[in-house]
Formats: sequence, C-alpha cells, structure tokens
Amino acid sequence: DAGITQSPRYKITETGRQVTLMCHQTWSHSYMFWYRQDLGHGLRLIYYSAAADITDKGEVPDGYVVSRSKTENFPLTLESATRSQTSVYFCASSGGNQPQHFGDGTRLSIL
Amino acid sequence: SQQGEEDPQALSIQEGENATMNCSYKTSINNLQWYRQNSGRGLVHLILIRSNEREKHSGRLRVTLDTSKKSSSLLITASRAADTASYFCATAGIGVGNEKLTFGTGTRLTIIP
Repeated sequence: DAGITQSPRYKITETGRQVTLMCHQTWSHSYMFWYRQDLGHGLRLIYYSAAADITDKGEVPDGYVVSRSKTENFPLTLESATRSQTSVYFCASSGGNQPQHFGDGTRLSIL
Repeated sequence: SQQGEEDPQALSIQEGENATMNCSYKTSINNLQWYRQNSGRGLVHLILIRSNEREKHSGRLRVTLDTSKKSSSLLITASRAADTASYFCATAGIGVGNEKLTFGTGTRLTIIP
C-alpha cells in the first residue's frame, strides 16, 4: 500500500548507544523531513532533504545524522543517544509545494 | 523557536457546537496549513491557505487568514466526537526553503458527547 512508514514504532535504549530510526515512503516524493515532538514545543524540524543526496539542517540538528541514498528512504541516526533526545519522532514527505504526509511516529525512550 | 502560536491551548465543547482555534505567526509566509493529530498517530493535513487568500472552506472546516495581523483561524462547524484531536497550524516561509514548515504548539480539542 502507498504511504509512509516508520520503524520501529517504539524503542528503548541507553545513553551513549547509537540508534537509527527508519522512514520509507512509496510516493516518490522529492522532499522528506524529520521532526521531533515534545510537550510544550510542538513539532520541531531536525533535518530535511530536497532529493536523494541533498540534506539540510532544520531547527534542532545537533546530535543527529541523516542520509538519503535513495529517494524513498530517509533514516535518522542518533550517534550517541542522550536523555534529552527522548521524544516522539515523526517522518514526513511532500511532493514540492504540497502538504506534508506524516508517518505514525517512533516513540524513543533513552534511559 | 515557534513561528505559530495557537490559542487556546485546550478547548472543550459539546458535540454539535462550533469550535474556533486561532493561530498567530511572526514572519511573512507563502502559505499557512492546518493539521490534525489523533492520539498516538501522525499529523494529517486538513487545509492549506495561500498568502493571497483570505478564506477557504473544506467540508465543515473554514479557515481565514489575515496577513496584516499575521493570524489565522480554523472553524469546525457542527462538531462531532471524532473531531477530538490536537490541531496545529504550520507556516511555510517565502523563497528558498519554503518547503519547510514551522509548527505551532497546538490546540487540544475535546468534543463532549
């Protein structure tokens, strides 16, 4: 089925560990985005990508790494997780000058 | 920093009543969008209004935009229990990078059956 999927839905890890959140979309949208959602802050943009091999920082990029070798995938990596990165992470895609389509999120807890 | 600020933060109304949410923003925009988020789910796009538009309708939704006041409102008429959700406004800037959206902190709407 067409859509945008995130995995895993839930993840618990420890500080200092590396963790990768996956995002896959089937629309061939050029743009993809990563947000984090925290109480009191709404959604904040971490990184976005305009096309394969083109990525750029958002509002809160520190501690995160992204890559986009294929149009359909946009993984987000926390290289050394910290407790402050406990959050709900959302991936989204859009076709350019179009509304964004969101996945159902990954709830990440860092102990 | 948040571009959009929604008001009120929370709203509870009886089923069948109208619900109005407001959004204020700080800088010039290309367009403003409203999204709904059900508990535990991702955001779903509701409606987009461009900077040269003043009002837009979609079903039971009515959005207004006042660029001179840098504000927008979302009206949901004849509310239903299924409208219970959080609602977010998001703004797209002008020029390079206008695909990026800046979200407000949201209004949590509860419809009481």
